[in-house]
Amino acid sequence: AQSVTQLDSHVSVSEGTPVLLRCNYSSSYSPSLFWYVQHPNKGLQLLLKYTSAATLVKGINGFEAEFKKSETSFHLTKPSAHMSDAAEYFCVVSLNAGGTSYGKLTFGQGTILTVHP
Amino acid sequence: GAVVSQHPSRVICKSGTSVKIECRSLDFQATTMFWYRQFPKQSLMLMATSNEGSKATYEQGVEKDKFLINHASLTLSTLTVTSAHPEDSSFYICSARDSSFRAGGSYGYTFGSGTRLTVV
Repeated sequence: AQSVTQLDSHVSVSEGTPVLLRCNYSSSYSPSLFWYVQHPNKGLQLLLKYTSAATLVKGINGFEAEFKKSETSFHLTKPSAHMSDAAEYFCVVSLNAGGTSYGKLTFGQGTILTVHP
Repeated sequence: GAVVSQHPSRVICKSGTSVKIECRSLDFQATTMFWYRQFPKQSLMLMATSNEGSKATYEQGVEKDKFLINHASLTLSTLTVTSAHPEDSSFYICSARDSSFRAGGSYGYTFGSGTRLTVV
């Protein structure tokens, strides 16, 4: 079984300040982990992914995330928030094994990021 | 990069009618496509997994006779909401996985832009 917990449903920051969106996961097998962003009434855009290579993953738009196996975490960060970063963010886990569960994506509950001027 | 085209983006239908949503992979072959449903202010819930040329696998609690999925080719999967009712109103999103995992890099999953279904 696999699950994802996003620890904050809402995060509010000021423009130019750092962003931290927290994600913890559980997985019976070696997971792949993703962060997706969704703007209102839009599909999902991939920000970055971890697939058992480097634990510090750099994504688009200045975002990065660090895979910490000991903490079962995959927090998303950005040094300086921009107004255009305001959106909903999803942490997602996919199993790399596990029979019929292979490849299925399990989504976290989502974190809405608000950026104030 | 990999692109998945989903149509329509928005549809309003009367209660009791059926609605078909299409999901196409434009520049890659997708042996597996996934259909998700998203309620307002909630996360995405996997409804079913469709594999080209075979029957879809539905998640627990999803009515297969209500949500008909057809994956007749490597580039097209369709979701038909039959006899739609207001409670079926939701945001539906498809995702395609590149058969060679090239789309978006390793374990490539590319999402469509979603379909907002409103049943009146």
